[in-house]
Amino acid sequence: GESVGLHLPTLSVQEGDNSIINCAYSNSASDYFIWYKQESGKGPQFIIDIRSNMDKRQGQRVTVLLNKTVKHLSLQIAATQPGDSAVYFCAENGKTGFQKLVFGTGTRLLVSP
Amino acid sequence: DAGVTQSPTHLIKTRGQHVTLRCSPISGHKSVSWYQQVLGQGPQFIFQYYEKEERGRGNFPDRFSARQFPNYSSELNVNALLLGDSALYLCASSFSVGVSGEQYFGPGTRLTVT
Repeated sequence: GESVGLHLPTLSVQEGDNSIINCAYSNSASDYFIWYKQESGKGPQFIIDIRSNMDKRQGQRVTVLLNKTVKHLSLQIAATQPGDSAVYFCAENGKTGFQKLVFGTGTRLLVSP
Repeated sequence: DAGVTQSPTHLIKTRGQHVTLRCSPISGHKSVSWYQQVLGQGPQFIFQYYEKEERGRGNFPDRFSARQFPNYSSELNVNALLLGDSALYLCASSFSVGVSGEQYFGPGTRLTVT
């Protein structure tokens, strides 16, 4: 089935801390995964992606880890800043033959100064 | 460069009415997808269009339809509106049609059905 969230878990951190946001995906056939950041009143913003032939990918202050064995994805944000406060979604694109993203539950990140 | 644009920003409709939402993709992007995001949930896929043809459809009733124009802009139409159609409607564009293409989202249209 598809992942649909009914309750947003929240992660509260202090400015400067490292944040880790976790996601369990549902389709073992998925071969492409993306993390999006969504601020209030805005559309999702692309952060970083990873293909299933990789287990780690790094960007600027962000790292995505993929564990296909347990169908788990994580987003690490280094030196978290107040501007990082938002809802974070993981998304997978199973082998449907077209661009259908299936979004996870979402995690609200709150960064305190 | 301009990102994905959507219009209108907000819309209030009555049950049973019809609504048309519009999307302009990033310049050079030929694929447009539509998503519905109900408050507190992640976006749900509705349609993907590429080169004016429907490439994929999610689990939405036939009241939902869309089309893509020669300039790659797109419209989402919803007939016989229900209260449950109240949501943020997101448009995403991508350069390629491949399943691993990066999708860039617009700000969305907030639809309220009363």
